[in-house]
Amino acid sequence: DAGVIQSPRHEVTEMGQEVTLRCKPISGHDYLFWYRQTMMRGLELLIYFNNNVPIDDSGMPEDRFSAKMPNASFSTLKIQPSEPRDSAVYFCASTPLFGNSGTEAFFGQGTRLTVV
Amino acid sequence: SQQGEEDPQALSIQEGENATMNCSYKTSINNLQWYRQNSGRGLVHLILIRSNEREKHSGRLRVTLDTSKKSSSLLITASRAADTASYFCGAIGAGSYQLTFGKGTKLSVIP
Repeated sequence: DAGVIQSPRHEVTEMGQEVTLRCKPISGHDYLFWYRQTMMRGLELLIYFNNNVPIDDSGMPEDRFSAKMPNASFSTLKIQPSEPRDSAVYFCASTPLFGNSGTEAFFGQGTRLTVV
Repeated sequence: SQQGEEDPQALSIQEGENATMNCSYKTSINNLQWYRQNSGRGLVHLILIRSNEREKHSGRLRVTLDTSKKSSSLLITASRAADTASYFCGAIGAGSYQLTFGKGTKLSVIP
């Protein structure tokens, strides 16, 4: 398997534009996580899905952020409209199982978003 | 809310020395995981320790867990320049499926 695949790797957009980040999890993984990483706030959990269903989106900073998982092999994180403070690296991670059985999470390479 | 908080924020050592990083968390956990991040890359899993375990080893890595103090430590022995990276602890709360992280410890190993 190629691992978790994120696209694009880099995105530069103007303030007010819509941005869509994409993630393809590892086949067979039931959980998918979206994170945002900045120097100030570290690695923040935005939302996670289990079997394509959003379980907890309490980390989504504002209504401008939305995430979907239409099927087991694809998820999107959308920011509309984008603002300069959204500039960060966004990571997607997937794992086959969590909780007590305790398996590791596999991270994508991230999307570096710059909003100017 | 964030669970794991790493300490120190930055650590600089000479090659061959041991590096110790600490992690504190807030609530009861199922397990705690340590990850490594090289500059510009995603996180890579290093080692996982369950709430009923106290110590675990993997190669040059040694992880301890003290649930009474809600803390964990990661020891890297005989460090190498290639160990230079940021290290994060991720905690999964009991009854939860969230994996949350702190801001990490930035380790620099000087050749």
